[in-house]
Amino acid sequence: DIQMTQSPSSVSASVGDRVTITCRASQGISSWLAWYQQKPGEAPKLLIYAASSLQSGVPPRFSGSGSGTDFTLTISSLQPEDFATYYCQHGYSFPYTFGQGTKLEMK
Amino acid sequence: QVQLQESGPGPVKPSETLSLTCSVSSDSISSYYWSWIRHSAGEGLEWIGRIHTSGRTNYNPSLKSRVTMSIDPSKKQFSLRLSSVTAADTAMYYCVREWGAGFDYWGQGTLVTVSS
Repeated sequence: DIQMTQSPSSVSASVGDRVTITCRASQGISSWLAWYQQKPGEAPKLLIYAASSLQSGVPPRFSGSGSGTDFTLTISSLQPEDFATYYCQHGYSFPYTFGQGTKLEMK
Repeated sequence: QVQLQESGPGPVKPSETLSLTCSVSSDSISSYYWSWIRHSAGEGLEWIGRIHTSGRTNYNPSLKSRVTMSIDPSKKQFSLRLSSVTAADTAMYYCVREWGAGFDYWGQGTLVTVSS
């Protein structure tokens, strides 16, 4: 299985800050990577697919980059509704696997 | 807008079979892969497997011996059966639509508790 490792596991930030979360795959996955946001009591929400494509309806302050094994999710200017847990997921081969999550907390 | 809704019997006893159905509100469920994903505190998010409207399936090898998926395009439903459950199968179960190497539509999830 391809292992997905996110860092940091948690991060504290303030409204207006720029935040970057990284995801590393244990082997190359080209651009077969997605990012999700999950809030308590809700299902995950797709933010980014194919490593850098913004899902319809997602604010442009969210962006993704990377290919191969190293990927980043950047929130350019944090808004109050962005405090949540973020997950990466690869779709390169079976089984699809997820990162362990990064909890974004208010400082 | 596509909506998915999981339904199931609730608590399941150890060694029994977990059965869930997902109903899709959409003009058609054709031409997509539909997956089941579960989320537990111990294992995080785990992809269980997927099924196409043609009936083609792919399962997570870690669960393959216990998983069966089926689909009924005419009813716009697909189902999951997981046999010989243990406490480790306690989780929130989601049905989802696969798109672009990700999952774009999710059900609200159904909590399955395995307990005697």
